[in-house]
Amino acid sequence: QLQLQESGPGLVKPSETLSLTCSVSGGPISSGTYYWGCVRQSPGKGLEWIATVYYSGTTFYNPSLKSRVTMSVDTSKSLYSLSLSSVTAADTAVYYCVRYVRSSSRTFDHWGQGALVTVS
Amino acid sequence: QSALTQPPSASGSPGQSVTISCSGTSSDVGGYDYVSWYQQHPGKAPKLIIYEVTKRPSGVPDRFSASKSGNTASLTVSGLQADDEADYYCGSYAGTNTVLFGGGTKVTVL
Repeated sequence: QLQLQESGPGLVKPSETLSLTCSVSGGPISSGTYYWGCVRQSPGKGLEWIATVYYSGTTFYNPSLKSRVTMSVDTSKSLYSLSLSSVTAADTAVYYCVRYVRSSSRTFDHWGQGALVTVS
Repeated sequence: QSALTQPPSASGSPGQSVTISCSGTSSDVGGYDYVSWYQQHPGKAPKLIIYEVTKRPSGVPDRFSASKSGNTASLTVSGLQADDEADYYCGSYAGTNTVLFGGGTKVTVL
């Protein structure tokens, strides 16, 4: 059973960098079928795709966040990481680690439980 | 890229059906057969219930069905049950490996 586990700071100060790590277990991160990504949800709001990464290191970013986002993957540790710089209160959200089926359905088929990150 | 458009709320009585729309453009919903729907109960992570416009993952009841016409996708929940009360989000591939979501629809079972 695939599991995605978020780990993050919980609280980040304005203008600093938010760092989130997603650990993948129960399945290979180095699979050609999937991308790995992050989706966030601001309090009481909808979902927003942030970024996805392939096990090779290829990344794809939401154009609205691209200037502030970096995503990387460490296949040896079966994890990937998100960095979001120059955060403001608007970046306060639950951040989800997700698996994206890249080669067929182009859908997020597995989600982590989510990690609340507050900017204050 | 703008978010897909969903009605903020929908409701129905137990046993009835409710249909939720998801409007986009020819660059996302209308351009690809890669529309997904996600169900989210309060305090929980979203769960995939529909992918590739009409397909259900294993374990999702056939009470959930979906379709697409032009730039608008729709999700229908038939035979409403209390546990169907949740937020529902559409998502669509939008080209060059980007994804858009809708703003979500809160379904209330009366």
